[in-house]
Amino acid sequence: GENVEQHPSTLSVQEGDSAVIKCTYSDSASNYFPWYKQELGKGPQLIIDIRSNVGEKKDQRIAVTLNKTAKHFSLHITETQPEDSAVYFCAASRGTQGGSEKLVFGKGTKLTVNP
Amino acid sequence: GAVVSQHPSWVICKSGTSVKIECRSLDFQATTMFWYRQFPKQSLMLMATSNEGSKATYEQGVEKDKFLINHASLTLSTLTVTSAHPEDSSFYICSARETGGRETQYFGPGTRLLVL
Repeated sequence: GENVEQHPSTLSVQEGDSAVIKCTYSDSASNYFPWYKQELGKGPQLIIDIRSNVGEKKDQRIAVTLNKTAKHFSLHITETQPEDSAVYFCAASRGTQGGSEKLVFGKGTKLTVNP
Repeated sequence: GAVVSQHPSWVICKSGTSVKIECRSLDFQATTMFWYRQFPKQSLMLMATSNEGSKATYEQGVEKDKFLINHASLTLSTLTVTSAHPEDSSFYICSARETGGRETQYFGPGTRLLVL
């Protein structure tokens, strides 16, 4: 089955700096890669996702890149703010077209943005 | 849009009792809903996939007789933890996928269960 590795497990940056979180996956049939932000005691919130037919997607300060050949994808947050502090999870699935929409999650990255 | 609610947000119960958790999609219909479990400082683990009008599909190692799932309508799925024990204490989170939509899953706020 699918296995998703996420690094680093913790990341501390200064406000205004960029943060990068990386994930690798094992199932070459995976074609949907969402990123979720989870604040303490709350459910995960979708912040951006990418499908295998594109290599990069951007939404304001957040961007995701995908390298299908190497089976890795990354989350980039620019101009970080204290409110970006949370745990971030990457996930992968084969999607509705791939026969399985089950999400397999990475172990998470705790991001701390210091004022 | 794409709001998912859960009720209750937290519950404390005695060992041996049953607890029901509701998951509702508020502004969309969801043929498929998912139930996850999350222990402190850990990732989300899928427990089961719930499809409206049919039996849920449970992940390996999840006892279907202990975690009863009912998806009776396009906006409501329920998870009942039967004969709860302290080791069932956890954060239970549901997600929903819009009927006819793409694979995006929208998550609820979670339910924290404490079994004494």
